Amino acid sequence: AQSVTQLGSHVSVSEGALVLLRCNYSSSVPPYLFWYVQYPNQGLQLLLKYTSAATLVKGINGFEAEFKKSETSFHLTKPSAHMSDAAEYFCAVRTYGSSNTGKLIFGQGTTLQVKP
Amino acid sequence: DVKVTQSSRYLVKRTGEKVFLECVQDMDHENMFWYRQDPGLGLRLIYFSYDVKMKEKGDIPEGYSVSREKKERFSLILESASTNQTSMYLCASSSTPGTGPQYFGPGTRLLVL
Repeated sequence: AQSVTQLGSHVSVSEGALVLLRCNYSSSVPPYLFWYVQYPNQGLQLLLKYTSAATLVKGINGFEAEFKKSETSFHLTKPSAHMSDAAEYFCAVRTYGSSNTGKLIFGQGTTLQVKP
Repeated sequence: DVKVTQSSRYLVKRTGEKVFLECVQDMDHENMFWYRQDPGLGLRLIYFSYDVKMKEKGDIPEGYSVSREKKERFSLILESASTNQTSMYLCASSSTPGTGPQYFGPGTRLLVL
């Protein structure tokens, strides 16, 4: 069975500081991993995805994530936070079952606060 | 760009009413999903569909039903709305074989009075 754990429900950084949002996964098969962002009162927007190609994945808005199999981690980073990055971030892992429907398991989410 | 649209952004209904939430995607995706999102509980899968007229229960199907008569449209039905169904409802779609991401609609915030 697959699972996802996001460490820290709230993260606060200063504008211009490094953003690090942590995600650890559990999967008995090679995982497909995703990061999504959700701005207030909106749906989820795909930031980036790992699908077994390069271990360092670049996404939109300057975000990137590194897949580390030995640590079962897929942490999201951005070198310099902008005020507009304030949002909720979700890590997700694809589940495997009898049908290839692409069901995802989501972490609980991390709210990023950016202080001026 | 994939586009997933939901029929309403905000909806107010009364207890006992039958409520229809509609979702349409324009990318010919086979798979469609309905989630509800509540503070502290994250996203929870209600139902999903992997083909026209095919559906499977998710983690919290009680009190809900779904309909998929056409590939592009997936409807969530609250047979008799209750106050504990006040929530944000999110629709998503993805293509088979499901190795790609899900694409989400903007959400419907439902208030049941």
